[in-house]
Amino acid sequence: EAQVTQNPRYLITVTGKKLTVTCSQNMNHEYMSWYRQDPGLGLRQIYYSMNVEVTDKGDVPEGYKVSRKEKRNFPLILESPSPNQTSLYFCASSPGGTGDSPLHFGNGTRLTVT
Amino acid sequence: SQQGEEDPQALSIQEGENATMNCSYKTSINNLQWYRQNSGRGLVHLILIRSNEREKHSGRLRVTLDTSKKSSSLLITASRAADTASYFCATVPNSGYALNFGKGTSLLVTP
Repeated sequence: EAQVTQNPRYLITVTGKKLTVTCSQNMNHEYMSWYRQDPGLGLRQIYYSMNVEVTDKGDVPEGYKVSRKEKRNFPLILESPSPNQTSLYFCASSPGGTGDSPLHFGNGTRLTVT
Repeated sequence: SQQGEEDPQALSIQEGENATMNCSYKTSINNLQWYRQNSGRGLVHLILIRSNEREKHSGRLRVTLDTSKKSSSLLITASRAADTASYFCATVPNSGYALNFGKGTSLLVTP
């Protein structure tokens, strides 16, 4: 089944403890992206990747890192999480990077930083 | 950056009625897409309309696009309880490729 898989679904951590949220897609998509969703703010893009080894900042990249060493994987890394990074995170992918094709979303990771 | 803005923020209707949601945006776009999100889940793509198209249909969904007014509407006909969800419009600007999402319309369909 074609899908975007994020892990974990739920994560509770403490301030400053490094964490990684994994994202994997099995559709051979070129484009991958991370969003965070907060009440009243909608979805905001954190980072995106047009292809392997190519990543770029979105609207809210501060406090996050990403890597794209393989086409299928696009992990989101929080080196030193803070409470304002408590949010619902979504990974998404699409065949092309022009925005001309729909995004396929994972089921989300709900992160709580205490 | 967020560009699309949905209206209304929330909509409550009864099964069988039609639901209309609107989206306004600010800059020229390549295309506009509508997504649905069930509570706490990932977004699901519904329909994509390109800037040179004016209307598109998919099942019970009808989307219109007016580039002169920088607005789009999503019509769901003969709504069902299963249509209860949040609906988002997302735009792709001419100058870029990132999808910019609005804040969504929350639709409640009661039996």
